[in-house]
Amino acid sequence: DVKVTQSSRYLVKRTGEKVFLECVQDMDHENMFWYRQDPGLGLRLIYFSYDVKMKEKGDIPEGYSVSREKKERFSLILESASTNQTSMYLCASSLWGEGVAKNIQYFGAGTRLSVL
Amino acid sequence: SQQGEEDPQALSIQEGENATMNCSYKTSINNLQWYRQNSGRGLVHLILIRSNEREKHSGRLRVTLDTSKKSSSLLITASRAADTASYFCATFETSGSRLTFGEGTQLTVNP
Repeated sequence: DVKVTQSSRYLVKRTGEKVFLECVQDMDHENMFWYRQDPGLGLRLIYFSYDVKMKEKGDIPEGYSVSREKKERFSLILESASTNQTSMYLCASSLWGEGVAKNIQYFGAGTRLSVL
Repeated sequence: SQQGEEDPQALSIQEGENATMNCSYKTSINNLQWYRQNSGRGLVHLILIRSNEREKHSGRLRVTLDTSKKSSSLLITASRAADTASYFCATFETSGSRLTFGEGTQLTVNP
């Protein structure tokens, strides 16, 4: 089974802190994604990556950056955390290429971040 | 509006009843998927239907797709309390390279 592991389930940080959210997948997937989930807004894509050292902006990249130094690890960075970044953050991975099976995403359990 | 809008937003039924959730979308798609999310957890993929398919079954799940109406439905038959969760549809657009999720339907199955 595919396993996507997020380093923390719950995180509490102060305004202005630099925050790192880590995600590791064990199935050699090329694609990795970071979403945030808020009530009434569904899942919104922050950043995604198709390969090591490669990144693409999603719908709401402002205030975030990412790092993908190794294929299995995709980090989300909040450069200076703000209270409006309090949210549930979900990491996902998928295979790359043609074919519908490669469109299926596998999710981690999520990190609930509170910025005070 | 978002691609992939679910209806209803919330649904409460008794154990043993069927649950139907609907999803509408706006653009041409390659496939449509349904995911489930238990409270406070990540999403789990349930079923995928291609744009050239009209119906698909998996266990107690039945998904239909009407590309002319740009809509899909997810039917869960003989529901159980353990089916209580949020259900999301997600579309993979023909011109795109990523999934776009709707806002979800919260299903509560009462024992």
